[in-house]
Amino acid sequence: ETGVTQTPRHLVMGMTNKKSLKCEQHLGHNAMYWYKQSAKKPLELMFVYNFKEQTENNSVPSRFSPECPNSSHLFLHLHTLQPEDSALYLCASSSTGGGSSGANVLTFGAGSRLTVL
Amino acid sequence: KQEVTQIPAALSVPEGENLVLNCSFTDSAIYNLQWFRQDPGKGLTSLLLIQSSQREQTSGRLNASLDKSSGRSTLYIAASQPGDSATYLCALYDDYKLSFGAGTTVTVRA
Repeated sequence: ETGVTQTPRHLVMGMTNKKSLKCEQHLGHNAMYWYKQSAKKPLELMFVYNFKEQTENNSVPSRFSPECPNSSHLFLHLHTLQPEDSALYLCASSSTGGGSSGANVLTFGAGSRLTVL
Repeated sequence: KQEVTQIPAALSVPEGENLVLNCSFTDSAIYNLQWFRQDPGKGLTSLLLIQSSQREQTSGRLNASLDKSSGRSTLYIAASQPGDSATYLCALYDDYKLSFGAGTTVTVRA
C-alpha cells in the first residue's frame, strides 16, 4: 500500500465517547501532521510531529490528544468532544518538518469525517 | 501571520470555457506555493507546486503562476470539463507549515 492512509473514513460519536483516528504513511517520511477542516473554513493546522517528536501544537484543546509512536504512524485520540468538533480531519506527511526544499512537500490522506452528536 | 484569500468563492462555467482562479497572500516571504483539488467529502489532491524561485508551473491543461512581489498566484484551467468540478485550494509554505485559503468551488456545466 502506498501514500497516506487514514482510518476510519467516517466516525460518529457521542460527547462522552472515546475514539481514535489513525494515520499511516508508506512514503518513508519523517514528519506527520494533523489538520482540521470545518465547514466553510480554511484548513487549520493542529499538530506537527518531526522524527516522532511533537514540534507544533496550534493551541488545540486537550480533548484532542495526538500520539506518534514512530515516523510512520500518527494517532489522534478523541474524548469528551463537542458538536463543534465535527469536521474532516486530515493527516499529512512530508520528508522532514522543516527546511525550504521543494522535497518537503506535504502529501495528504483522504481524511476522517467526524460527527459528534 | 500569513493570510490567504481566494476569489471568487464559487464559480460556475459552461463546458469548454477557460477557468481563472485567484489566490492572494499577505506575506511574500514564502517558500513554496501549492494548488490542491478537493472533491466533496474527500482529501486533497496536489495539482501543482511552485517553488519560491519559480514563476510558473504547467501540467497538462493546468498552469499556475506566482508573483511574490504582488502577493498573487493564479491557476488557469484550459478548456474546462465537467470532471473539473471540485473545490480548488491554494496553500503557502512557511517552512513546514501550510496556510490555506478557503477555496474556490468550481462547477462546470455540461
